[in-house]
Amino acid sequence: ELKVEQNPLFLSMQEGKNYTIYCNYSTTSDRLYWYRQDPGKSLESLFVLLSNGAVKQEGRLMASLDTKARLSTLHITAAVHDLSATYFCAVDTLVGSQGNLIFGKGTKLSVKP
Amino acid sequence: DSGVTQTPKHLITATGQRVTLRCSPRSGDLSVYWYQQSLDQGLQFLIQYYNGEERAKGNILERFSAQQFPDLHSELNLSSLELGDSALYFCASSVGLRDGSGNTIYFGEGSWLTVV
Repeated sequence: ELKVEQNPLFLSMQEGKNYTIYCNYSTTSDRLYWYRQDPGKSLESLFVLLSNGAVKQEGRLMASLDTKARLSTLHITAAVHDLSATYFCAVDTLVGSQGNLIFGKGTKLSVKP
Repeated sequence: DSGVTQTPKHLITATGQRVTLRCSPRSGDLSVYWYQQSLDQGLQFLIQYYNGEERAKGNILERFSAQQFPDLHSELNLSSLELGDSALYFCASSVGLRDGSGNTIYFGEGSWLTVV
């Protein structure tokens, strides 16, 4: 059974600081997703990572994927209050096609001034 | 706005009742997914349809069923409702086929179901 573990689950950081959220998964997958969710809201797609060594950046967020280590990271650079949200990673269980996403428990990020 | 439309946004119903949640996918998307989000279980995949056919099944209870219609909209039917079914139900959609560039899966705003 595929398991997805995120850490930390809670992260309180100050504005201007850098930090990394880690996402480990237990079996082979060729597709990893990062989503952002504000309280009571929908999931906003941040990144889709497809291959080993993939790195994508958008603003202050950068995601990477190491399929050999079964590890993805979401790096936050110079955090600002607007980044406060819950961040989920999710792994696709179907190889070669999209299917069942298994989500991590989420990392609740709070950025304080 | 992701382009995925869900109705109703909020629903309160009694135990034992049946409800139907509706989803219209993004224009051009052939795959529809249903997810349940609750405090204790987190985000769980329920079921996926592609162009009208069931493609993948997750932790969907036998009391729940879904279908995708020829116009590609989908409905999730929840019956014999229990208190524990209270959750936020998301519909999501994607193009569905691997195109090499990575298919983003877009989520709707969700339907809040409260069973009392």
